[in-house]
Amino acid sequence: AQKITQTQPGMFVQEKEAVTLDCTYDTSDPSYGLFWYKQPSSGEMIFLIYQGSYDQQNATEGRYSLNFQKARKSANLVISASQLGDSAMYFCAMKGDDKIIFGKGTRLHILP
Amino acid sequence: DVKVTQSSRYLVKRTGEKVFLECVQDMDHENMFWYRQDPGLGLRLIYFSYDVKMKEKGDIPEGYSVSREKKERFSLILESASTNQTSMYLCASRTEGTSGSYEQYFGPGTRLTVT
Repeated sequence: AQKITQTQPGMFVQEKEAVTLDCTYDTSDPSYGLFWYKQPSSGEMIFLIYQGSYDQQNATEGRYSLNFQKARKSANLVISASQLGDSAMYFCAMKGDDKIIFGKGTRLHILP
Repeated sequence: DVKVTQSSRYLVKRTGEKVFLECVQDMDHENMFWYRQDPGLGLRLIYFSYDVKMKEKGDIPEGYSVSREKKERFSLILESASTNQTSMYLCASRTEGTSGSYEQYFGPGTRLTVT
């Protein structure tokens, strides 16, 4: 069975600091994908970044990067130079077969 | 821009009512999904569909059914609403990106309250 685990229910970070949001996963499929989504208080789910299991390099999208450690089955999201607008709920997700399953989320608070 | 729209942002229904949640996407995506989101539980997959008239159960299908008569529309049906179905319902549709990525687009959500 596939599983996504986010162990940090909430985090407080000072503005302009880097943030690492933890995500570990479990799957027996050799081919899978890992995602991160942001959900601000308005409720919409915003796609941030994707990493395929066979990708050699860690994915990056602007201030977002995915620290993919396959042997440890971890896919942490790193946000560089955090901003107040980064305050939101963040979900890690995994695609296996044709479904995407989500973790329980981490609520990130950026402090001015 | 991909658009996934849901028929209502807020809905209040009584226990026992039949409830229809509609989702429409305008990008010709084959795959569509219904999730519910509850505090502390993240998003849980209810049903998904590969194509018209095709459906697959997700992780929590009990108490729900779906209908996909047209490619752009995926409906979630609560046959007899119960209070434990009070939740935020999110619809999503998905394409396969040119780089092999799988970007899944979400609608704005429907917050359903069953009283």
